[in-house]
Amino acid sequence: AIRMTQSPSSFSASTGDRVTITCRASQGISSYLAWYQQKPGKAPKLLIYAASTLQSGVPSRFSGSGSGTDFTLTISCLQSEDFATYFCQQYYSYPLTFGGGTKVEIK
Amino acid sequence: EVQLVQSGAEVIKPGESLKISCQGSGYSFTSYWIGWVRQMPGKGLEWMGIIYPGDSDTRYSPSFQGQVTISADKSISTAYLQWSSLKASDTAMYFCARPLISPGAFDIWGQGTMVTVSS
Repeated sequence: AIRMTQSPSSFSASTGDRVTITCRASQGISSYLAWYQQKPGKAPKLLIYAASTLQSGVPSRFSGSGSGTDFTLTISCLQSEDFATYFCQQYYSYPLTFGGGTKVEIK
Repeated sequence: EVQLVQSGAEVIKPGESLKISCQGSGYSFTSYWIGWVRQMPGKGLEWMGIIYPGDSDTRYSPSFQGQVTISADKSISTAYLQWSSLKASDTAMYFCARPLISPGAFDIWGQGTMVTVSS
C-alpha cells in the first residue's frame, strides 16, 4: 500500500497567516491526490482533487500543488473557520490511503 | 440534492453482529461507487473498501479484508457495512462516501455512524 506522510502533525497559527501543509507519498502517484478538511464531529469535506483542482464552492484562499510524491496545501489568508484538521488522500491505486492529518490550531 | 444518509448510532456488545447502512439520494445510485471510511476516536481516516452498486464489484483494504463485509441493495439505493463478531477495537465513527470517479476523491459524505462496542 502507498503510505502518505503529512507534516507537520499540528501547528498553531493566527488569523490572516499564510499556512502550508505538506503531504508525501511513498511512491509516485502522479496527480491523484485529494485534500480534505474535517471539523470535530463532522464528516470530511473535499477541498481539492487532482492535486490542484478546487472543489466547487471552496474558497479561493485554498490551493494545492505538486505531483509525483510531494504535495502541498496552502491557505493564503487563514480565516477563523479554517481552524480544523486537514487530510491528504491518494487515489492512484487501491487500497486508497490517507495521510495522518494536520491539525491547525489557533495561536 | 445529492446526499448520503447513514443509519443511527449503535451500542453493541463484544461478539455481536451488526449491519449499518448508507442510503443515497439525488443521483443514479447504480452509477457511482460508494466507499466506507473508519475513524477511531481521536485518530485519522482509514479507507476500508468500496462497492459499485451497479454490479456489486467490491474492493477491500487488506487491513479490513475478512473483518467486514460491504454490500449494496440497489433496489433501495442503500449500501451496507457489516460485522459478524464485533470487538472493542471496532469502536469508531464509520463514514460512507461517494467518489467523483473510482478510484477517486470523495465529494459526497454521509454524516457518519458511531459504533460503540462495550460490555
